[in-house]
Amino acid sequence: GQQLNQSPQSMFIQEGEDVSMNCTSSSIFNTWLWYKQDPGEGPVLLIALYKAGELTSNGRLTAQFGITRKDSFLNISASIPSDVGIYFCSGGSNYKLTFGKGTLLTVNP
Amino acid sequence: DTGVSQDPRHKITKRGQNVTFRCDPISEHNRLYWYRQTLGQGPEFLTYFQNEAQLEKSRLLSDRFSAERPKGSFSTLEIQRTEQGDSAMYLCASSFETTYNEQFFGPGTRLTVL
Repeated sequence: GQQLNQSPQSMFIQEGEDVSMNCTSSSIFNTWLWYKQDPGEGPVLLIALYKAGELTSNGRLTAQFGITRKDSFLNISASIPSDVGIYFCSGGSNYKLTFGKGTLLTVNP
Repeated sequence: DTGVSQDPRHKITKRGQNVTFRCDPISEHNRLYWYRQTLGQGPEFLTYFQNEAQLEKSRLLSDRFSAERPKGSFSTLEIQRTEQGDSAMYLCASSFETTYNEQFFGPGTRLTVL
């Protein structure tokens, strides 16, 4: 089946630093999405990407849909304590989302 | 709050019991999805509905699992004869048909099977 390789598994950064995480796949996806999940809650959609090469921003977040359609990255600029959580990349096909294992982000104030 | 809601938020049951979870999607969305998430993993697709029709089921959905969406609004997920391996977070999501990959998730139901 389809698998997404998400890296890094975890990151420990200081408040104000920039963060980058990425996701690769052996398969092509129509859509790439990035979600954030807090403990005990469901994932929250951050950014959706629809075209190869597309670069999209949402506030301090920037994500890109790789040209090969097999990868995506997410950057967070000027991190703040509330950025703490687990970030998931997700590849979308006709009806289902396939998720990576997540990147646990810890921000030290 | 007009987001996806799920009930209950937590369920503890003994092995062999049946459990049922409910999901109320965003009212304008005609697609509804169920996912399962275990510790340290991302959500895994189980099944989805378009209106009241169940259009796809994952191989993860054994015959002990059944999902319904009788009127095309809320959905239920039932697990019969629960096993310890069923312990997980069960997530519901919904979307428009036209933007089917922009799925909005509920808070989940945490199931613990003793």
